[in-house]
Amino acid sequence: GAVVSQHPSWVICKSGTSVKIECRSLDFQATTMFWYRQFPKQSLMLMATSNEGSKATYEQGVEKDKFLINHASLTLSTLTVTSAHPEDSSFYICSAGSLKWTGNLQPQHFGDGTRLSIL
Amino acid sequence: DQQVKQNSPSLSVQEGRISILNCDYTNSMFDYFLWYKKYPAEGPTFLISISSIKDKNEDGRFTVFLNKSAKHLSLHIVPSQPGDSAVYFCAASVAAGNKLTFGGGTRVLVKP
Repeated sequence: GAVVSQHPSWVICKSGTSVKIECRSLDFQATTMFWYRQFPKQSLMLMATSNEGSKATYEQGVEKDKFLINHASLTLSTLTVTSAHPEDSSFYICSAGSLKWTGNLQPQHFGDGTRLSIL
Repeated sequence: DQQVKQNSPSLSVQEGRISILNCDYTNSMFDYFLWYKKYPAEGPTFLISISSIKDKNEDGRFTVFLNKSAKHLSLHIVPSQPGDSAVYFCAASVAAGNKLTFGGGTRVLVKP
């Protein structure tokens, strides 16, 4: 099956630093990648959708200047949490989809997530 | 406004019996539905999906039923196994947008 790799899996850093999370599709070309956020015991909330070579589309309430998304190639998307603060601590998960599979982006395949802790 | 709801936060079932997970949605534009299984600190794993042109899809021990008129879908796992213990999320998408809207999840515990 399709494999999506997310790195790092866990990061702890001081308030005010920026953190970059990578999401790679290992065995397919992902035309679209999605970034989600999950708080403890809650569901996954979509933050943004990124298509290769174009600007990401952010969901309502998500600060695009805070969460910078780059999708430079069909196999790599990055999420940078800029000037992170304790309230940004969460579990961030990426997923990837490809129109080549069925003409539909589903099913999306997910990375294993990044647990971000801001002190 | 929660467009996808899983009203049962948890479910406990005996090994070998059937697990039935339910999901309701409000957006009539949704036309593709998926179930994912998730362990703590891991990403969701795709289980099974169904498009709105069908009312049933089966894959091994997993069967998804869709009732469009009721805006309701369910996942049946039979027989349930201890390894099935996890959180299950239903998700829905509109073909044009393709972004997923997730339900709140149901934690399943299969007792040996």
